[in-house]
Amino acid sequence: GAVVSQHPSRVICKSGTSVKIECRSLDFQATTMFWYRQFPKKSLMLMATSNEGSKATYEQGVEKDKFLINHASLTLSTLTVTSAHPEDSSFYICSARGPGTEAFFGQGTRLTVV
Amino acid sequence: GNSVTQMEGPVTLSEEAFLTINCTYTATGYPSLFWYVQYPGEGLQLLLKATKADDKGSNKGFEATYRKETTSFHLEKGSVQVSDSAVYFCAPSPYNTDKLIFGTGTRLQVFP
Repeated sequence: GAVVSQHPSRVICKSGTSVKIECRSLDFQATTMFWYRQFPKKSLMLMATSNEGSKATYEQGVEKDKFLINHASLTLSTLTVTSAHPEDSSFYICSARGPGTEAFFGQGTRLTVV
Repeated sequence: GNSVTQMEGPVTLSEEAFLTINCTYTATGYPSLFWYVQYPGEGLQLLLKATKADDKGSNKGFEATYRKETTSFHLEKGSVQVSDSAVYFCAPSPYNTDKLIFGTGTRLQVFP
């Protein structure tokens, strides 16, 4: 199947700093990318949907100024957690799909804010 | 609203045992239904899907039938293997959207 690469797999940052997570589709053009957040023993919560070249659509309750999403090309989307705080510590997962394809998932990024 | 309920795990089985993981959902309209699997250290992968009532999705010996009357999409396998040990996610996708609504996931552990 198609490959979606997410980087980094783990990151630890200090409170107040910003962290950028990358999601790349390696062998297909991802017209739509999704960002999820997963709390321990909880389901994946969809944060936002982004289409290449346009602004992301955020789910209700997700702060767009805190979680900046950029989908500037058909193979790359980034999620930047700005001014991170300990409550932002979580597992973040991206998925990508091309025209008429299923969604392919990255391996996730474990963010720890200290 | 849209939601999904999965049985809590872990589900622990011996090899060759029969597996059922229950999934029920609420969704507007007629959603497409998916099961994803996450093997240790890997990202989620599509296991099977069904897009309309009474459809049966199947893959790798796993099956699930779209039951509109009970809003369920239970996952079954007749004989599990150790290599099936993973976390399984039920995920409806509301009609006419690209979104997936995930359950909490059910961890399956299969012992020899």
